[in-house]
Amino acid sequence: GAVVSQHPSRVICKSGTSVKIECRSLDFQATTMFWYRQFPKKSLMLMATSNEGSKATYEQGVEKDKFLINHASLTLSTLTVTSAHPEDSSFYICSARWGSDNEQFFGPGTRLTVL
Amino acid sequence: GENVEQHPSTLSVQEGDSAVIKCTYSDSASNYFPWYKQELGKRPQLIIDIRSNVGEKKDQRIAVTLNKTAKHFSLHITETQPEDSAVYFCAASMGAGNMLTFGGGTRLMVKP
Repeated sequence: GAVVSQHPSRVICKSGTSVKIECRSLDFQATTMFWYRQFPKKSLMLMATSNEGSKATYEQGVEKDKFLINHASLTLSTLTVTSAHPEDSSFYICSARWGSDNEQFFGPGTRLTVL
Repeated sequence: GENVEQHPSTLSVQEGDSAVIKCTYSDSASNYFPWYKQELGKRPQLIIDIRSNVGEKKDQRIAVTLNKTAKHFSLHITETQPEDSAVYFCAASMGAGNMLTFGGGTRLMVKP
């Protein structure tokens, strides 16, 4: 299957700082990338859908000014958590797909801990 | 929007027994139903999927059934093995490439 990477895999930061998470499709061009958030022992919740070259579409309840998403190329999308707070601590997972009806491939996830 | 319910939340079986996980969905427009296996701290891995034009699909020890009328679908794992222990998520979407709505997950424990 296709490979999606995320960087960093784990990050610890102080409250008030911003953190950038990268999601890369390594062997295909991702026309769409999705960002999910997963709390411990909970399900994955979609945060936003990102199409290359256009603004991300955020799900209800997700603050777009807090979770900045950029999909500048067909192989890279970034999620920036601005002014992070302890309640933003979570496991963030991206997925990517090409075409309109193809399987999504998930990245390995990034564990964010805000102190 | 779509809402996916998954049961049970935890399931413990003896090695060799079968395990069944059930999901219901709310949006009749959903037509793609994947199942993912997630081990602790790892990414979800697609194990099987089914589209709404099919009622059943099987891949070795894993099978999925879909009842469009009742809007529910199930995962069946036969001859369970300890390595099947993980959290399983069902999901629904309007097409494989569209946003996925996940069920709450089922923690499957297979006792040797």
